[in-house]
Amino acid sequence: GQNIDQPTEMTATEGAIVQINCTYQTSGFNGLFWYQQHAGEAPTFLSYNVLDGLEEKGRFSSFLSRSKGYSYLLLKELQMKDSASYLCVESSGTYKYIFGTGTRLKVLA
Amino acid sequence: DAGVIQSPRHEVTEMGQEVTLRCKPISGHDYLFWYRQTMMRGLELLIYFNNNVPIDDSGMPEDRFSAKMPNASFSTLKIQPSEPRDSAVYFCASSFDEDLTKNIQYFGAGTRLSVL
Repeated sequence: GQNIDQPTEMTATEGAIVQINCTYQTSGFNGLFWYQQHAGEAPTFLSYNVLDGLEEKGRFSSFLSRSKGYSYLLLKELQMKDSASYLCVESSGTYKYIFGTGTRLKVLA
Repeated sequence: DAGVIQSPRHEVTEMGQEVTLRCKPISGHDYLFWYRQTMMRGLELLIYFNNNVPIDDSGMPEDRFSAKMPNASFSTLKIQPSEPRDSAVYFCASSFDEDLTKNIQYFGAGTRLSVL
């Protein structure tokens, strides 16, 4: 995806914590989303940041720094079902999403 | 609500044939988006509608692709003639204007298109 940079793959162990980083271009920024996509399924909404700081939602948290064009998704107490692709998405311009190519996370037992 | 409904789930066709993908957005949503997903390029926005009107079709690859939204509950994406490079998963998503910036999109299950 244009303008969005995130790692292609990550591996972590069940019960651990993993941080998935994302950088984006800051011009025309409206907000930053994270979506989860299991193989063969549709993307589903995880989190949204428009202001700097940390948004916590259960085991998942998302952080944003607008000045640095940087976000991360933090997953705690990893479970096997967290194995999926995590898509960093920039809302840029009215209602347009720009998707990263996603980070494929493998959770090992 | 049943969510965004797409049909068919899978489509296999031969090069040169016409393909029509269908989408029913979530009731009450006034934005509808068509995306294409491939391994190489990830998710790409093709076109989106607001209140049944196409707003931005700059992502439509070429004239072989066309999209319509005749009413608030139905949209089609047509490829004519289809080519092998069109093989991908096509997603439809819908959303409503929650506020001027936050715009969560809800995705359908997708149509996996294979053009032989």
